[in-house]
Amino acid sequence: DVKVTQSSRYLVKRTGEKVFLECVQDMDHENMFWYRQDPGLGLRLIYFSYDVKMKEKGDIPEGYSVSREKKERFSLILESASTNQTSMYLCASSYRTGTKNTGELFFGEGSRLTVL
Amino acid sequence: AQKITQTQPGMFVQEKEAVTLDCTYDTSDPSYGLFWYKQPSSGEMIFLIYQGSYDQQNATEGRYSLNFQKARKSANLVISASQLGDSAMYFCAMRDPLGYNKLIFGAGTRLAVHP
Repeated sequence: DVKVTQSSRYLVKRTGEKVFLECVQDMDHENMFWYRQDPGLGLRLIYFSYDVKMKEKGDIPEGYSVSREKKERFSLILESASTNQTSMYLCASSYRTGTKNTGELFFGEGSRLTVL
Repeated sequence: AQKITQTQPGMFVQEKEAVTLDCTYDTSDPSYGLFWYKQPSSGEMIFLIYQGSYDQQNATEGRYSLNFQKARKSANLVISASQLGDSAMYFCAMRDPLGYNKLIFGAGTRLAVHP
């Protein structure tokens, strides 16, 4: 089974702190994604990566950065956390587009971040 | 721009009955893929079913079927014989035609199954 593991299920941070959310997948997927989930808004894409050291902005990248130094690991960084970044963060991975698959995303269990 | 619309914030159904969750989409690209995911209260996103825009038949997976009406740009999820364990958030999503398997999600529908 594909496994996507997020390092922390629950985090509480203070405004201005630097926050690292870690995600590891074990299926050798090329693509990895960070989404943010808020009630009534569904999931919105923050950043994604299609290869090691490659990253692309999603729909809401402001206030976030990412790092992908190894194929299996994709980190989301909040340089200076703010209260409006209180949310559920979901990491996902998938095979590269064009391979023989539907392109479904495999998700981690989510990290619920509260910024005080 | 591509968009997914789920107009039902919440639905409820009696156990053993069928329920339809609505999803409409907007895209000008002729090639696209549509997905449904389930999110129980525990938080993980579970893939349910996939429909490709060129698939001739509606997708089915066990008790889940996708009522795909291309001309109306709708991709409703039908759950037959609802079970208590079906209570969850359900998200409709479309693959971004620009590539990389990015998914664009709707706002979701919360389904409650009553005994």
